[in-house]
Amino acid sequence: NAGVTQTPKFQVLKTGQSMTLQCAQDMNHNSMYWYRQDPGMGLRLIYYSASEGTTDKGEVPNGYNVSRLNKREFSLRLESAAPSQTSVYFCASSEDGGYGYTFGSGTRLTVV
Amino acid sequence: QKEVEQDPGPLSVPEGAIVSLNCTYSNSAFQYFMWYRQYSRKGPELLMYTYSSGNKEDGRFTAQVDKSSKYISLFIRDSQPSDSATYLCATRSGGYNKLIFGAGTRLAVHP
Repeated sequence: NAGVTQTPKFQVLKTGQSMTLQCAQDMNHNSMYWYRQDPGMGLRLIYYSASEGTTDKGEVPNGYNVSRLNKREFSLRLESAAPSQTSVYFCASSEDGGYGYTFGSGTRLTVV
Repeated sequence: QKEVEQDPGPLSVPEGAIVSLNCTYSNSAFQYFMWYRQYSRKGPELLMYTYSSGNKEDGRFTAQVDKSSKYISLFIRDSQPSDSATYLCATRSGGYNKLIFGAGTRLAVHP
């Protein structure tokens, strides 16, 4: 099925561990995004990529890094996980000038 | 102040009721407004979008934007249990696709 695929779906990390969240889209979209969703806070933009080879910080980038590996893939890395990074992470993609994002099904991350 | 404010609810209504979901925003430069629906443990999906002021209707759903008061609304007629979800408003920032989301309103429609 066409869309945005995120892996893993669930993850538990210990404080200080690192991990990479993977995201891939097969809709030939230029733009890709990483959001985190916390209760009462809505979706907050971590990083985005307007095209292959470019990335920019969003609202809450501290503690994260990203890589736009190619047009399809956009990964999010936590170098040293902290409990404050416990959240649900969503990847999304969109067409240039398009209004709608296509979201993945999310990664539920718990940092203990 | 958040750029987009949305009452998180929860909102509980009986089946068949008319539902009104609302957001306010602070930046008068916003031109594009969207509503997303998110079922439990799923990603958000685009429900409707509108440009500038006015109404847009799609089946039982109507999106309304009042730019003079910086107020956006989503109305659901004849609500169904399958409408139970979290509804997020969103608006577009600047000249790029980047969206700003409200916190989401959790809606429960009970039979």
